[in-house]
Amino acid sequence: IAGITQAPTSQILAAGRRMTLRCTQDMRHNAMYWYRQDLGLGLRLIHYSNTAGTTGKGEVPDGYSVSRANTDDFPLTLASAVPSQTSVYFCASSAGTGTGNEQFFGPGTRLTVL
Amino acid sequence: GENVEQHPSTLSVQEGDSAVIKCTYSDSASNYFPWYKQELGKGPQLIIDIRSNVGEKKDQRIAVTLNKTAKHFSLHITETQPEDSAVYFCAALGGYGGATNKLIFGTGTLLAVQP
Repeated sequence: IAGITQAPTSQILAAGRRMTLRCTQDMRHNAMYWYRQDLGLGLRLIHYSNTAGTTGKGEVPDGYSVSRANTDDFPLTLASAVPSQTSVYFCASSAGTGTGNEQFFGPGTRLTVL
Repeated sequence: GENVEQHPSTLSVQEGDSAVIKCTYSDSASNYFPWYKQELGKGPQLIIDIRSNVGEKKDQRIAVTLNKTAKHFSLHITETQPEDSAVYFCAALGGYGGATNKLIFGTGTLLAVQP
């Protein structure tokens, strides 16, 4: 069982380009999340999805969009990348959305926007 | 909304000593506080969590304490080992409206255990 996979592992991107970060989980979890991790700021929630077909905004959603067409996949899209989006991006999932449902994290994608 | 502060940002201890990491939160309605360990190049992994209806929880060398009145919670690692070296994050349940289970993370503590 792979758990959560993310692709690519790392990417260097020119400003203004469009980029989609991929996330797939094989645990049949209902909820999925996207975080960005920046030094000194910890992890901040970008977008989330409580179940397939629904999405919501997190703490820092501007400049990002997500979709949840099925249970397993939760791609994150940067429509027009800017240097401030340079970060490490983590996808996570949890079985449910109730309090205390453990969130399992993927290995991350390191994105550099020049 | 919820705000979580974490201290210290770095912590160095000798192998066998104890390590304590402290967090404070702002939203008195928060009722779930997990701790994550992140090793270099990997995603965070849950190591222990506590709900607001208990004051302390232990799992082998790891314990978490919660003081709801003061709105702070702490991670205690006893008999530290080199493999405990990692970044540790505390978190609290934060609300953005709608469904629950959205976490607000602290800024992290880099723990170095010196052999």
